Amino acid sequence: LAKTTQPISMDSYEGQEVNITCSHNNIATNDYITWYQQFPSQGPRFIIQGYKTKVTNEVASLFIPADRKSSTLSLPRVSLSDTAVYYCLVGDTGTASKLTFGTGTRLQVTL
Amino acid sequence: DGGITQSPKYLFRKEGQNVTLSCEQNLNHDAMYWYRQDPGQGLRLIYYSQIVNDFQKGDIAEGYSVSREKKESFPLTVTSAQKNPTAFYLCASRSGQTKNIQYFGAGTRLSVL
Repeated sequence: LAKTTQPISMDSYEGQEVNITCSHNNIATNDYITWYQQFPSQGPRFIIQGYKTKVTNEVASLFIPADRKSSTLSLPRVSLSDTAVYYCLVGDTGTASKLTFGTGTRLQVTL
Repeated sequence: DGGITQSPKYLFRKEGQNVTLSCEQNLNHDAMYWYRQDPGQGLRLIYYSQIVNDFQKGDIAEGYSVSREKKESFPLTVTSAQKNPTAFYLCASRSGQTKNIQYFGAGTRLSVL
């Protein structure tokens, strides 16, 4: 499994755009990049997934450069409710592969 | 509603006791997972199962056991051999079609009396 590296924590003010970068230097050809959000005492929930270039949904955007050795989760105009831990996962889409979560990035949004 | 149900929400274990955490899903997913989360830490994989009657150890399987007799159910037993069981336990499932997208339950918080 590709090992991932993320910043431990980030701070932002409400209304700003937040970009969280994940490094995955040994990503394999079949690997997808998936981001999850976790609030305290809750299970993580899926945010966005991509393979290359850019993916956008109603919650976030995911930017993946051509070499795929990193990815950036972009949260537009964050609010206090976006305060959470964000996890980057890299793994193939084969049947029930072992998926490993890192320590994630703790985002704190303030007024 | 479809989803994953974990029970109980809170559980207390006495010294030397085995306890079982329940995880049920009605999403018709093939794969199921158990994770442990300690305060301020990420998720660590305990066990996972690809299909019924099959499961594999994760990164921290010692002191835990599982079974997968039905597709919908993947109970986790925390045995007396697990000397530090206090943690937040999360169960997840995944369809073989959903490219690493896991769906999580609400978790069980286990404490030692």
